[in-house]
Amino acid sequence: EIVLTQSPATLSLSPGERATLSCRASQSVSSYLAWYQQKPGQAPRLLIYDASNRAAGIPARFSGSGSGTDFTLTISSLESEDIAVYYCQQRSSWPGTFGQGTKLEIK
Amino acid sequence: QVHLVQSGGEVKEPGASVKVSCKASGYTFMTSDISWFRQAPGQGPEWMGWVSAYNGVTNYAQKFQGRITMTTDTSTSTAYMELGNLRSDDTAVYYCAREYMLRGINWLDPWGQGTLVTVSS
Repeated sequence: EIVLTQSPATLSLSPGERATLSCRASQSVSSYLAWYQQKPGQAPRLLIYDASNRAAGIPARFSGSGSGTDFTLTISSLESEDIAVYYCQQRSSWPGTFGQGTKLEIK
Repeated sequence: QVHLVQSGGEVKEPGASVKVSCKASGYTFMTSDISWFRQAPGQGPEWMGWVSAYNGVTNYAQKFQGRITMTTDTSTSTAYMELGNLRSDDTAVYYCAREYMLRGINWLDPWGQGTLVTVSS
């Protein structure tokens, strides 16, 4: 099973700051990686697929990069509505696996 | 707009079964498969299994084999997940998600709103 390790576990930043979230795979997943946002009390929502493609309706401040084993989700300028847990998921091997999540807090 | 709407929360006693529904709208139901997940408090989503909306073929996670059944009703665009022999550690929020193909790979978009299943005597 491919293990995804996310860091940091918690990130606390101020509005307007840049957030950088990391996801590392235990073996190469090529570009088959997605990022999901889960706000408190809500279901996960697809943000980024295939490492760097924004899903429909996702604001341009969200971007993804990386390939192989190292991936990054960047939020260019934080807004208060971005408070959430962010999960990466690989789909290189079925059915895929999730990271343990990064909790984003706004100062 | 694509939506998945799940049935309401359930409280069950240990040993009972629960059946959660997931009604799809905004797309042709048979063109996308459905996966089911559950999420315990503070944990990430756990994959439970997958059902083809086209022909009903299923694939279940090994840990649920023998007590899980996933079905679809194409006449109502609804998927179902039934979990039997419930235990207290089955208490979680259960989600359905559409397997949506983008750039040749299926991604999970959208998700249902979740159904809280509480197992307690």
